[in-house]
Amino acid sequence: GAVVSQHPSRVICKSGTSVKIECRSLDFQATTMFWYRQFPKQSLMLMATSNEGSKATYEQGVEKDKFLINHASLTLSTLTVTSAHPEDSSFYICSALARAASTDTQYFGPGTRLTVL
Amino acid sequence: AQSVAQPEDQVNVAEGNPLTVKCTYSVSGNPYLFWYVQYPNRGLQFLLKYITGDNLVKGSYGFEAEFNKSQTSFHLKKPSALVSDSALYFCAVRDYGYGQNFVFGPGTRLSVLP
Repeated sequence: GAVVSQHPSRVICKSGTSVKIECRSLDFQATTMFWYRQFPKQSLMLMATSNEGSKATYEQGVEKDKFLINHASLTLSTLTVTSAHPEDSSFYICSALARAASTDTQYFGPGTRLTVL
Repeated sequence: AQSVAQPEDQVNVAEGNPLTVKCTYSVSGNPYLFWYVQYPNRGLQFLLKYITGDNLVKGSYGFEAEFNKSQTSFHLKKPSALVSDSALYFCAVRDYGYGQNFVFGPGTRLSVLP
């Protein structure tokens, strides 16, 4: 199956700093990538849809100025958590949409555990 | 609007017994249905999907799922459970023609007891 990588896998930062998370599709091109947030023992919450070469589409309630998304190429999308605070601590997961003749399938990265002190 | 329900938060099954993880969905148009598995502190892994055709879909690790249009269900099954199958399972649906978004169910935690 298609492979999606995420870096870093774990990051600890101080409150007020910014953190960048990278999501890469390794063996396919992805015009669309998704960013999710997952709280403990909960399902995935879609934060935004990232389209290559255009602005991301944010879900209601997600601050676009706080969670900056850049999809600069067909294999890379980045999520930057700006001025992070402890309440931003979470598990962030990206996925890339692999297009096929029949239907598209999302393939997920391994996730990034963010801890803000 | 699309929605997915996984009626069981937790499913316990003994190793070697068959397992079923339930999923029901609601869409306006034709559903594309997916199952993903998540191991602790990991991202989601794709297991299988239903698009069209045969209602019984076979996927990775011996899992299969049966699409039932009349019951709007897509239950995940495996004939003989392994302890290593213990994980969190998510059902997802995409309503063809209504954008790119997938809607995920709340997840079902499967525990296979040795």
